[in-house]
Amino acid sequence: SQQGEEDPQALSIQEGENATMNCSYKTSINNLQWYRQNSGRGLVHLILIRSNEREKHSGRLRVTLDTSKKSSSLLITASRAADTASYFCATPGSGGSYIPTFGRGTSLIVHP
Amino acid sequence: NAGVTQTPKFQVLKTGQSMTLQCAQDMNHNSMYWYRQDPGMGLRLIYYSASEGTTDKGEVPNGYNVSRLNKREFSLRLESAAPSQTSVYFCASRETGGTEAFFGQGTRLTVV
Repeated sequence: SQQGEEDPQALSIQEGENATMNCSYKTSINNLQWYRQNSGRGLVHLILIRSNEREKHSGRLRVTLDTSKKSSSLLITASRAADTASYFCATPGSGGSYIPTFGRGTSLIVHP
Repeated sequence: NAGVTQTPKFQVLKTGQSMTLQCAQDMNHNSMYWYRQDPGMGLRLIYYSASEGTTDKGEVPNGYNVSRLNKREFSLRLESAAPSQTSVYFCASRETGGTEAFFGQGTRLTVV
């Protein structure tokens, strides 16, 4: 079953604006990842945040993790048209095996 | 360094036909995965292989079989295709102890 659920399902903004996507998950995790998928392509890893971290930055990306609320957010600052893509959060999945488990994703459109 | 390579990229099958989707990775990863992606459903795990010689069912295994031919290759077989198997199929791999999954470009399969 899907562990993470992204919100909103779709987001449409203008270039230069910030984009915020949220992810909620069900069970305890030791890390959470965000991936990006351009149209017609495979997923590409963006950033990982561990359970003992509250915030992490990578370029224009900022990820937060609140383990008490079982939620994470991905902020893309100063969005560009090239950021148009779907964004997925991924958790390790339940059970003993590490199985990347994805939510349904947020579709982001950045208008030039 | 090609990463994860999937063949074919596109395929149209008639109901009842069989086919094998091929996946190969050149990163010496132990773990490999097959996902399907349907609109609004995100990525759902079909089968995975934690190491050469082992395979396990995921969330949606019915109608599929897999073979971990060697450490590099993990194939997905549809014995008798059904329209419900129309989807985009992704293969991914991950190194033992690592967190990041590396994805292929996907196979877009249509069953008519």
